Amino acid sequence: DVKVTQSSRYLVKRTGEKVFLECVQDMDHENMFWYRQDPGLGLRLIYFSYDVKMKEKGDIPEGYSVSREKKERFSLILESASTNQTSMYLCASWNSETQYFGPGTRLLVL
Amino acid sequence: DQQVKQNSPSLSVQEGRISILNCDYTNSMFDYFLWYKKYPAEGPTFLISISSIKDKNEDGRFTVFLNKSAKHLSLHIVPSQPGDSAVYFCAASARTDYKLSFGAGTTVTVRA
Repeated sequence: DVKVTQSSRYLVKRTGEKVFLECVQDMDHENMFWYRQDPGLGLRLIYFSYDVKMKEKGDIPEGYSVSREKKERFSLILESASTNQTSMYLCASWNSETQYFGPGTRLLVL
Repeated sequence: DQQVKQNSPSLSVQEGRISILNCDYTNSMFDYFLWYKKYPAEGPTFLISISSIKDKNEDGRFTVFLNKSAKHLSLHIVPSQPGDSAVYFCAASARTDYKLSFGAGTTVTVRA
């Protein structure tokens, strides 16, 4: 059974703080993704990675960066959190048939 | 510009009846389509998929239909059950590219 875990379910941060969201998958998948989900907008792709140390921008990368030092771990970084980054963040990994999602991190930036 | 559109934000259906969810796409390069189900405070879970070489795929109570000429797909749930109350997302990809484009979602409420 594929498992994708995210380090936090809920986070509250202040404007300007640096925020790290961690994601780990246990199925040796090469492809990993970060999305944010907002009401009425569905899931929007922030960044993805095809392999260790590789990253590609998604549709809305501004204000975010990522790190993939190990195959199983993909981190999303908010360099200086802003209130418009308040959202649900979802990590996923891909096995050639579908993407498997983690439980999500609900981030509130005050 | 959203390439995958779910024009109905919500759907209410009586238990035991059919739920029909619709999805339209604009990118002719898309050749693989998926439906996900999402409960509040959980990540989306994969429901069913269809490749562009087919026009129908069935899995238990769930059937997905694809009309390539109209760039339209639909998900049928028969019979609808209370546990089906959730947000349903349509997604599409070009298989040469692992990225998925998602619709905005349809919230389904199954009434007892």
